[in-house]
Amino acid sequence: KQEVTQIPAALSVPEGENLVLNCSFTDSAIYNLQWFRQDPGKGLTSLLLIQSSQREQTSGRLNASLDKSSGRSTLYIAASQPGDSATYLCAVRPRETSGSRLTFGEGTQLTVNP
Amino acid sequence: KAGVTQTPRYLIKTRGQQVTLSCSPISGHRSVSWYQQTPGQGLQFLFEYFSETQRNKGNFPGRFSGRQFSNSRSEMNVSTLELGDSALYLCASSTSPTGGTDTQYFGPGTRLTVL
Repeated sequence: KQEVTQIPAALSVPEGENLVLNCSFTDSAIYNLQWFRQDPGKGLTSLLLIQSSQREQTSGRLNASLDKSSGRSTLYIAASQPGDSATYLCAVRPRETSGSRLTFGEGTQLTVNP
Repeated sequence: KAGVTQTPRYLIKTRGQQVTLSCSPISGHRSVSWYQQTPGQGLQFLFEYFSETQRNKGNFPGRFSGRQFSNSRSEMNVSTLELGDSALYLCASSTSPTGGTDTQYFGPGTRLTVL
C-alpha cells in the first residue's frame, strides 16, 4: 500500500530565505507526483506536476524534483515571501489503482515571517 | 475557463440527517474524484467517477455514495450523518487520459459541520 510522508510538518522562515520541502513515498510505481498549496479553509491549488519519466519541473520561484528510485521529491521555493505562507501537500498517483486516485501526504505548514 | 465549482460552500446538519453535495468539473473533464479532509486523517479518497461510472472507491462505509451525470457533474450523498463526518469535502476533476499524465484540479470545497 502506497504511503506518502512529508517532512517537516511545520516550518517557519524569515522572508527572503530559500527553502526545501520534502516528500517521500514507499512505492516507486507511480504515474506522477503533484505538489499542491492549500490556504486555510480553502481548496487545493496545483503548483507542479512531475511525470514519472521526468526529473524536475519549474514554475517561477518553484522547482520540484523527483527521484522515483529512492521514492523522494523535493519542492524548492526561492526567495520566500509572506504570501507563500500556506500548507504544501504532495500527492502521488499510484500505478496499482486505475483512474485518477491520489495518495496524499500530511502536508508541511509553511510560515514566512516579514 | 471556469474552475471546479462546489455547492454549497458551507453546511450545518444534525446527526442522523442526510446531505447532498454537488461538484461541477472543468468543462471537458470527464473524471471527478471526491476527498474528505479532516485534521486527524488528512486527505482521504472517497470515490472517483468517470463517464457516469464509479471507477474507484476508498475505504468509507456505505453511508457515503455518489453519482455522476451525463454532463460530468457529480453529487455525493452522506446518509445518517455522524459527528465524525464533519470535514471539508473536496472534489477534483481531470481529463483522465490513459497513462496517468493529467493534472488534478480541485474545487474550493464544502465545509460540513454535523452537530
